[in-house]
Amino acid sequence: GAVVSQHPSWVICKSGTSVKIECRSLDFQATTMFWYRQFPKQSLMLMATSNEGSKATYEQGVEKDKFLINHASLTLSTLTVTSAHPEDSSFYICSAREHRGGNQPQHFGDGTRLSIL
Amino acid sequence: GENVEQHPSTLSVQEGDSAVIKCTYSDSASNYFPWYKQELGKGPQLIIDIRSNVGEKKDQRIAVTLNKTAKHFSLHITETQPEDSAVYFCAASMNSNYQLIWGAGTKLIIKP
Repeated sequence: GAVVSQHPSWVICKSGTSVKIECRSLDFQATTMFWYRQFPKQSLMLMATSNEGSKATYEQGVEKDKFLINHASLTLSTLTVTSAHPEDSSFYICSAREHRGGNQPQHFGDGTRLSIL
Repeated sequence: GENVEQHPSTLSVQEGDSAVIKCTYSDSASNYFPWYKQELGKGPQLIIDIRSNVGEKKDQRIAVTLNKTAKHFSLHITETQPEDSAVYFCAASMNSNYQLIWGAGTKLIIKP
């Protein structure tokens, strides 16, 4: 149980393109989803917290107009990297927290490797 | 804010031996401590977690211990196997926002 599906797994595109990444909780409802960025050989860096039906909360230094987040249902959140440039190339990972009271586990997707040429 | 330190950064053990990874946290309000395993090119996979009202938890070859007074928790893997090779992350979380504060990660290498 507790499967999170992230799509696509790999994207290569030209500079200036917008890229949408989907994160789905397949067998549970997720009130809250998180979006992370991970650089090689480093830990995960939280970008934003996405709550179903409300605006996402972005961490300091993350441009909300650059990284658009939508969490329209309890099982789907999307991250759109707008007008992507080479410096946006990275490994993006989402996680979903189970819709239950208290501090519940976060389950992660398998990430999206984004390469901007 | 909360800060999590993790040691060692790299751990190499002989197959069949035990491996121990240690983490410390700074905020006594943290009450949930998960451990994740990340294989190359994959997302982190939850392998075990512990809450602040428990001192120890075990799941087959994996165990986690928590010392609230000292603010540290450890991951123990016994009878290590080649498939245990990966990067392991500890994290801490509290009820105020449920965000995970991550350790820097430990690269575990199992030598055949």
